[in-house]
Amino acid sequence: QAVVTQEPSLTVSPGGTVTLTCGSSAGAVTSGHYASWFQQRPGQAPRTLISSTNNKHSWTPARFSGSLLGGKAALTLSAAQPEDEADYYCLIIYSGVGEVFGGGTKLTVL
Amino acid sequence: EVQLVESGGGLVQPGGSLRLSCAGSGLSFSNYWMHWIRQAPGKGLEWVGNINPDGTETYYVGSVKGRFTISRDNAKNSVYLEMNSLKVEDTAVYYCTPKVYWGQGLFVTVSS
Repeated sequence: QAVVTQEPSLTVSPGGTVTLTCGSSAGAVTSGHYASWFQQRPGQAPRTLISSTNNKHSWTPARFSGSLLGGKAALTLSAAQPEDEADYYCLIIYSGVGEVFGGGTKLTVL
Repeated sequence: EVQLVESGGGLVQPGGSLRLSCAGSGLSFSNYWMHWIRQAPGKGLEWVGNINPDGTETYYVGSVKGRFTISRDNAKNSVYLEMNSLKVEDTAVYYCTPKVYWGQGLFVTVSS
């Protein structure tokens, strides 16, 4: 089973920009891995921010965007707000095998 | 409004069985792959398994293969997780989700 790797923790200043990445031990992450990104605040259920690499949902704040960057999936947060402080998880699909979460990134807005 | 309501959780002894149910409303349930995802206390999210829209394909994480079974009944807008030979390490909050919408989750505690 592949291992999906995320930065354990990142810090961003209010109003600043930060990029979270999601890599795979099986090689480069491509659009065929349909990466998803989820936000989870303490004590809450996860919330889906991005599906299929870069597709936002109606509730996804415009300051979040998904992409592929250097062989990894990436979640970029621009103009960070205090309420963006949370854990962020990526999920990768391995076709015909299953899906794997990254370990999560704890994002601090400070 | 989309709702996903999980039921059937609780306390079970190691080696025991439990069946989780998840009822969806407000979405075209039969169009979605449905997933079970869990989160052990203080840990990250773990994908457990999924089932395709017509229920003919299922996939599981290695640690539950042969012990857990996912099924669905589209007529009832429901998906199920049958858990057998439960282990202490299966203790977690379990979520059913089409990976777009999420319910509040269900506690499953495996302990003697």
